[in-house]
Amino acid sequence: KNQVEQSPQSLIILEGKNCTLQCNYTVSPFSNLRWYKQDTGRGPVSLTIMTFSENTKSNGRYTATLDADTKQSSLHITASQLSDSASYICVVSDRGSTLGRLYFGRGTQLTVWP
Amino acid sequence: EADIYQTPRYLVIGTGKKITLECSQTMGHDKMYWYQQDPGMELHLIHYSYGVNSTEKGDLSSESTVSRIRTEHFPLTLESARPSHTSQYLCASSDVEREGAYEQYFGPGTRLTVT
Repeated sequence: KNQVEQSPQSLIILEGKNCTLQCNYTVSPFSNLRWYKQDTGRGPVSLTIMTFSENTKSNGRYTATLDADTKQSSLHITASQLSDSASYICVVSDRGSTLGRLYFGRGTQLTVWP
Repeated sequence: EADIYQTPRYLVIGTGKKITLECSQTMGHDKMYWYQQDPGMELHLIHYSYGVNSTEKGDLSSESTVSRIRTEHFPLTLESARPSHTSQYLCASSDVEREGAYEQYFGPGTRLTVT
């Protein structure tokens, strides 16, 4: 059973609009949560990493939030651009793993229309 | 942009052929990984390495093998390709822990199709 669930599975928005993507996880013990952007046919690129003590982190127009109590995270994209069209993947790492093993969600496929 | 490279980017090959997917990184990272990703699905870890001469199997069983003779090089080999091996293969590496987390850098991937 996947320990990281994302919603919605896909989303279409108009250029310039804002959107919020959701991530729920059951990974325990929790170490950190990451959001990646994956363009079609490319490898994922890290947007943010949040540890247990952080509840928000921004990277330009991307703002991630984390509620470690409810095990939920969101990624808010402001003033969307056509180049934001991609899959956004939520990834959670457990604590105590020297490997830094990651648990991946299936991603939200975002399409931005002009 | 991360300095991690994969070749070939696309490969179409017949059943039974032996193939090697190349991965190299110039960042001096000790840890390297291979993931398998099907369309619309999550990444699954199939192999990882802590450093030279270290290789381990990941969470998803795979018929592929890997080697780590040099820090910068982590090739993946399929001795006899089958249609079930059709997938995208992503290589990654990670540096030392920062802010309590290991940042993983991904290559562009190899899209493998076995006919």
